[in-house]
Amino acid sequence: DTEVTQTPKHLVMGMTNKKSLKCEQHMGHRAMYWYKQKAKKPPELMFVYSYEKLSINESVPSRFSPECPNSSLLNLHLHALQPEDSALYLCASSPANVYGYTFGSGTRLTVV
Amino acid sequence: SQELEQSPQSLIVQEGKNLTINCTSSKTLYGLYWYKQKYGEGLIFLMMLQKGGEEKSHEKITAKLDEKKQQSSLHITASQPSHAGIYLCGAGYFYSGGGADGLTFGKGTHLIIQP
Repeated sequence: DTEVTQTPKHLVMGMTNKKSLKCEQHMGHRAMYWYKQKAKKPPELMFVYSYEKLSINESVPSRFSPECPNSSLLNLHLHALQPEDSALYLCASSPANVYGYTFGSGTRLTVV
Repeated sequence: SQELEQSPQSLIVQEGKNLTINCTSSKTLYGLYWYKQKYGEGLIFLMMLQKGGEEKSHEKITAKLDEKKQQSSLHITASQPSHAGIYLCGAGYFYSGGGADGLTFGKGTHLIIQP
């Protein structure tokens, strides 16, 4: 299995809702990442997990809460989002000490 | 200023013509990725370069890494409609063997192929 699987592919949520994005990989990668991509902009790094520990948080608002329950799974919990948080959310994984990123196909999030 | 400058921002090329996209870093590169993206979709991996002078090819796409200039170029030969899309370069700045530090992306090049 050489894929990063993201679910759901599309999500529409209200500003008072709580939802979660899921990312899964079975390549034995020990680093996992969340990126946010607004329309016509490049992806921007949000969080990095290395060996299931949060190693980088790029000053992301607390309404985004990442979780890494095990080495194969990465979640992004969403709560009280704003319409400007609407974007494509990309997950990626890599071996922890070697370059070799694999990206998922993303979750298209719309906040209404 | 932007760590990773990508140019041009947009490119309109007649089908069959060659084209080049450049990506220049203001810091030392340890890994350089090229991706293609269709609007609203995920990233399609094209190539990864790590060593100065390295050159890789896949079908009609060639990428090179110039260590002295901290620059990479992506060259498409005899462009086809299937080459249309957004091309993104992503740089790794983490040395110790690799990177659990994420990639920094250039702003992207929007490529249009005219028939």
